[in-house]
Amino acid sequence: QVQLQESGPGLVKPSETLSLTCTVSGGSITSYYWSWVRQPAGKGLEWIGRIYISGSTNYNPSLKSRVTMSVDMSKNQFSLKLSSVTAADTAVYYCAREDSGSGRAFDIWGQGTMVTVSS
Amino acid sequence: DIQMTQSPSSLSASVGDRVTITCRASQSISSYLSWYQQKPGKAPKLLIYAASSLQSGVPSRFSGSGSGTDFTLIINSLQPEDFATYYCQQSYSTPRTFGQGTKVEIK
Repeated sequence: QVQLQESGPGLVKPSETLSLTCTVSGGSITSYYWSWVRQPAGKGLEWIGRIYISGSTNYNPSLKSRVTMSVDMSKNQFSLKLSSVTAADTAVYYCAREDSGSGRAFDIWGQGTMVTVSS
Repeated sequence: DIQMTQSPSSLSASVGDRVTITCRASQSISSYLSWYQQKPGKAPKLLIYAASSLQSGVPSRFSGSGSGTDFTLIINSLQPEDFATYYCQQSYSTPRTFGQGTKVEIK
């Protein structure tokens, strides 16, 4: 079955760039949109954006100026970069698959990776 | 952006109770509404998609209904493993947005 695994630094300094990668195993990265969702401690879920295998992206307007997503089909991976981070970007970051066959729901999620922004 | 509003924000219930959680969208989202369950320290888990379709492997005590702007998640005969936080989410348009969550606690 398809599994997602986030990876990247758990600690990022303020003003620097947060970089995370999601590796898709057990299935192909093609034919789906792939999203990033984050969750600050004790708070709700915030959609960051998504990418398709073609490279087409949609970003949350609240983060658009700082977000870049990319996809590497050869490695079955997609990535997130969030620039100029502050303490407000401290959160658990999840990658998720959006399935058009399931009403565009996020049917598969990674386990999440905690990212702390601190000097 | 489409705003998703859940109610209540939290509730206390006993094992065996029937629980109802509602979600309202700020504009019509047709049936592009999903429900997720999240337990502490875990990723959200898809329960219901397309407003009323049960995700494979999810117990039948979970059900969803609604279309347009008003949606409902019902848990029949609440089980101990159902104590968690539940989120609705719209996939009608981007940015995708979630409700603020409903925490179901043990009475």
